[in-house]
Amino acid sequence: GENVEQHPSTLSVQEGDSAVIKCTYSDSASNYFPWYKQELGKGPQLIIDIRSNVGEKKDQRIAVTLNKTAKHFSLHITETQPEDSAVYFCAATGSNQAGTALIFGKGTTLSVSS
Amino acid sequence: KAGVTQTPRYLIKTRGQQVTLSCSPISGHRSVSWYQQTPGQGLQFLFEYFSETQRNKGNFPGRFSGRQFSNSRSEMNVSTLELGDSALYLCASSLEGRRAETQYFGPGTRLLVL
Repeated sequence: GENVEQHPSTLSVQEGDSAVIKCTYSDSASNYFPWYKQELGKGPQLIIDIRSNVGEKKDQRIAVTLNKTAKHFSLHITETQPEDSAVYFCAATGSNQAGTALIFGKGTTLSVSS
Repeated sequence: KAGVTQTPRYLIKTRGQQVTLSCSPISGHRSVSWYQQTPGQGLQFLFEYFSETQRNKGNFPGRFSGRQFSNSRSEMNVSTLELGDSALYLCASSLEGRRAETQYFGPGTRLLVL
């Protein structure tokens, strides 16, 4: 089945710097790749997603890139702010038979210091 | 539009007991998926319901079950609780439960088994 690996597990940056989180997936049939942000005591919040027919998507300070050939996708956050501090999860759709099931990476704890 | 709601938010049970968790999806959403989140295993897919039918199931024992009502609200039940069932249980809803459809998560129910 699908396997998603996420790196790094922790990331510390200074306010204003950029942060990059990378994920790889194993199932070439995966076609949807969301990114979620989870703050302490809350559920995961969708911040951006990309589908396999698109190579890049941007929303203000956040961008995601997808390389289907290499089976990896990345989250880019520019001009980081303290409120960006949270755990970020990447995910990918499972096999065709798995329906809506998402397979998640282990998460990256991002700390932005001012 | 109100988001996904889950009740209760916190629960303490003892080994051997059973527990029922509730999830109300976003209005108009017909698909509800359940996930278990633990520090060791991360976010793992439990099952998905659409039109009162379980469409997909993850790799969890039969002690984990669920159902969906005609108004799309869903419940999950865990019988004969074990210490390892302590986790944050999250539900996510999507419009039609299609494979690459965006899923929105609720705040979760934190279950502690003593």
